[in-house]
Amino acid sequence: AQSVTQLDSHVSVSEGTPVLLRCNYSSSYSPSLFWYVQHPNKGLQLLLKYTSAATLVKGINGFEAEFKKSETSFHLTKPSAHMSDAAEYFCVVSDSGNTPLVFGKGTRLSVIA
Amino acid sequence: DTGVSQNPRHKITKRGQNVTFRCDPISEHNRLYWYRQTLGQGPEFLTYFQNEAQLEKSRLLSDRFSAERPKGSFSTLEIQRTEQGDSAMYLCASSRPAGLNYEQYFGPGTRLTVT
Repeated sequence: AQSVTQLDSHVSVSEGTPVLLRCNYSSSYSPSLFWYVQHPNKGLQLLLKYTSAATLVKGINGFEAEFKKSETSFHLTKPSAHMSDAAEYFCVVSDSGNTPLVFGKGTRLSVIA
Repeated sequence: DTGVSQNPRHKITKRGQNVTFRCDPISEHNRLYWYRQTLGQGPEFLTYFQNEAQLEKSRLLSDRFSAERPKGSFSTLEIQRTEQGDSAMYLCASSRPAGLNYEQYFGPGTRLTVT
């Protein structure tokens, strides 16, 4: 069975400082991995996806994630946080993008002015 | 591309009543998914369709839940004899067929409150 563990339920950063949201996954074979963001009262939006191509994946709004098979990790980073980045972030694993997704419990990112 | 739409956006019902939600996927997306999200948790998979065929149901989908996609376009999710534990956000997503851009696009959700 596939699973995802988001290591922090809440992360708080100052505006302009780097963001790191940590995710470990478990999968019996080569997975597809995603990060989704959920702003209050808005739908889930895909930030980026890894599908067995380049291990460093670039997404929207300056976010990146690196797939590390040896560490079973897929951490999300951004060099400089903006106030608009404050939201809930979900790490997701799947066989592929169009099969059922398995979500982590989420990490709430707060950005302090 | 108008996005995935869901109706209603909010539903308040009394315990024991039946409710039905509707999801309209992005046109030409042949896969449609239902998820449920409770407060403070990530979404959990309920069921999904390819065209009108229901391909998989989660064990979370009790006998009181039924989903349909009769013409391979919109889908409905019905909950019979609602219980307070059914209170949650019900999310719908759609995706293209395999081999193309296959990420799932989510609708805004239907928030159900059972009193």
